[in-house]
This record gives sequence, C-alpha cells and structure tokens, in this order.
Amino acid sequence: EPEVTQTPSHQVTQMGQEVILRCVPISNHLYFYWYRQILGQKVEFLVSFYNNEISEKSEIFDDQFSVERPDGSNFTLKIRSTKLEDSAMYFCASSTNGGSTDTQYFGPGTRLTVL
Amino acid sequence: GNSVTQMEGPVTLSEEAFLTINCTYTATGYPSLFWYVQYPGEGLQLLLKATKADDKGSNKGFEATYRKETTSFHLEKGSVQVSDSAVYFCALIHKEAAGNKLTFGGGTRVLVKP
Repeated sequence: EPEVTQTPSHQVTQMGQEVILRCVPISNHLYFYWYRQILGQKVEFLVSFYNNEISEKSEIFDDQFSVERPDGSNFTLKIRSTKLEDSAMYFCASSTNGGSTDTQYFGPGTRLTVL
Repeated sequence: GNSVTQMEGPVTLSEEAFLTINCTYTATGYPSLFWYVQYPGEGLQLLLKATKADDKGSNKGFEATYRKETTSFHLEKGSVQVSDSAVYFCALIHKEAAGNKLTFGGGTRVLVKP
C-alpha cells in the first residue's frame, strides 16, 4: 500500500540554524500539507500546498517557514532560523483531490529538537 | 473559530471491554468529521470518517455517528483488544475553509491490558 515517507526521523539542531524536513507524498496525490505537534499539545495545521502554491497557511507559518516541491516527488519544509519553540514532531500529509471529504494520509513524522 | 474537544486520557481498559471516546466540535455549518489513530512509533492513520449529519463511519470494529444536534462524533468499540492501544484523535475539516486543513482535538491515549 502506498505511504507517505519522511526523513529524517529525528533532527537535532542548534538554535538559529536552518533545517529542511523532507517528505515524499503518495505518488498520485496533488495536495500536500504540513502539521506539527509540540509535546503534550494538539496537532496543529501549518500549511497546505497545491499546484506549486500555498493554498492556506496558519498564523504559525511565518516568514521563517517555507515550503517547496523541488522535483516531482519531494515536498520540503524549511525553517530558516530555528527557535527553541520550534521543537516538535512535524507531520507531512497528502491527499488526492483536496476536498473536505478527502482522506489525508500522514507520514510517520520528523521529531525536531532545537537546542 | 472551529475547534474539537475530546476526553482526556489515559483511558485504561481490560481486553474485551467496551470503549467510548467522547468528541464534540464547534464549527459553523456542517464540517466533515474524522477519527485518526496513532499507534506507538507510527504516524496518524485514518480510522473512519463521516461527511454529513447522521452518517456512521465504521472500520476495524470501531464506529462513530455524526450527530448534528449534539455536535458530537463519539468513537465506540464493543470489544477492545490489546492491539487497540494507541492515541486516538478526533478532527474536522470545515467545508468552506480554504486549504482543507484538519483541526484536531487533543488526542486520547487508550491502553488495553490483557
């Protein structure tokens, strides 16, 4: 069964450094998402992406964040200058048509630790 | 804004016990409702969904009915197994919201003991 994959599974970085989290969505999906979960808190929406553009972003997704689909398979989340409060589990998801009834398929997550 | 509230865990049960996890939502109109499950060390998996009022979603022995009058989507299973130990998330997508973002509840950890 096709699945969303994410790398790395765990990333440790120093405050102020740039990190890139990578995701490979399911191959025939057209809509892509990033969510994060700070330890002990809710899973929060960050951004949705379709047709090489951001469809929607949350207030968390400020100028320090960016997303890109650099080729036909990868979908990346970049944090330019990490802060301690960026430490969280980051989940990538993808869906077929992006409708409200459509299922979003999640990857296993990347745990980001900012020291 | 849209929000989802679910019962806090952990919920500890014996095998073959009945499981209920309460979920209520706040949203304008009629959102689509989802239950996701996260097994230890894995990502979120869709368990079931319902997209309109009175729909019942079901999968792997779990059921949830979309109740518009009580704005609820409670998850039930008649006889749990040890393998059902996981964190369960209730979520919604507002049909008129851009970007089809999922809004999640806080998650409920369920531990089933043999």
